[in-house]
Amino acid sequence: KQEVTQIPAALSVPEGENLVLNCSFTDSAIYNLQWFRQDPGKGLTSLLLIQSSQREQTSGRLNASLDKSSGRSTLYIAASQPGDSATYLCAVSRGAQGAQKLVFGQGTRLTINP
Amino acid sequence: GAVVSQHPSWVICKSGTSVKIECRSLDFQATTMFWYRQFPKQSLMLMATSNEGSKATYEQGVEKDKFLINHASLTLSTLTVTSAHPEDSSFYICSARDPRTGPYEQYFGPGTRLTVT
Repeated sequence: KQEVTQIPAALSVPEGENLVLNCSFTDSAIYNLQWFRQDPGKGLTSLLLIQSSQREQTSGRLNASLDKSSGRSTLYIAASQPGDSATYLCAVSRGAQGAQKLVFGQGTRLTINP
Repeated sequence: GAVVSQHPSWVICKSGTSVKIECRSLDFQATTMFWYRQFPKQSLMLMATSNEGSKATYEQGVEKDKFLINHASLTLSTLTVTSAHPEDSSFYICSARDPRTGPYEQYFGPGTRLTVT
């Protein structure tokens, strides 16, 4: 059974710092890995999607890497801003026939202090 | 593009009653929709996969007779929580796959907060 773990559970940093969020998964047979952002009481916003054949994806100040063989992904946020405060979730898609089903980690609650 | 809405955004119901939550794809046709449940400070757990015109596929441990899913059209899926109990109180989120963007992208609705008293 696929399990996704995110470390740390919560992180608080001053504005302007660069930071890294970690995600690990137990079964390397994934189709892709996604990072989402969730604001309190809201739905999910997709940030980055990395296919299993890719090593990283970038969007603006965000960079996500994927090491499928070791079951790890990181989300790097550069020059953090208070607006980045949210919960960040990573999710992996199950392989083969269940390619569309996502297994989520418990998230990292990020607070950027002005 | 690829907007998914949910209605209602929050609902309070009494124990023993049923409540229906709607999930709509506003600008695309979704052959597949997914229903998730999220307890406070926990992650999303997939409940079921809803396919237009066929029966939903439920994840292990999810009672299909309690959580009724209907995907009657390409833009609408509904989740009905029957005989609700306080332990059903949760945040329910749907997502929809837009076939135009490939098989892996899912677009999430804003969620519905259910409180059973």
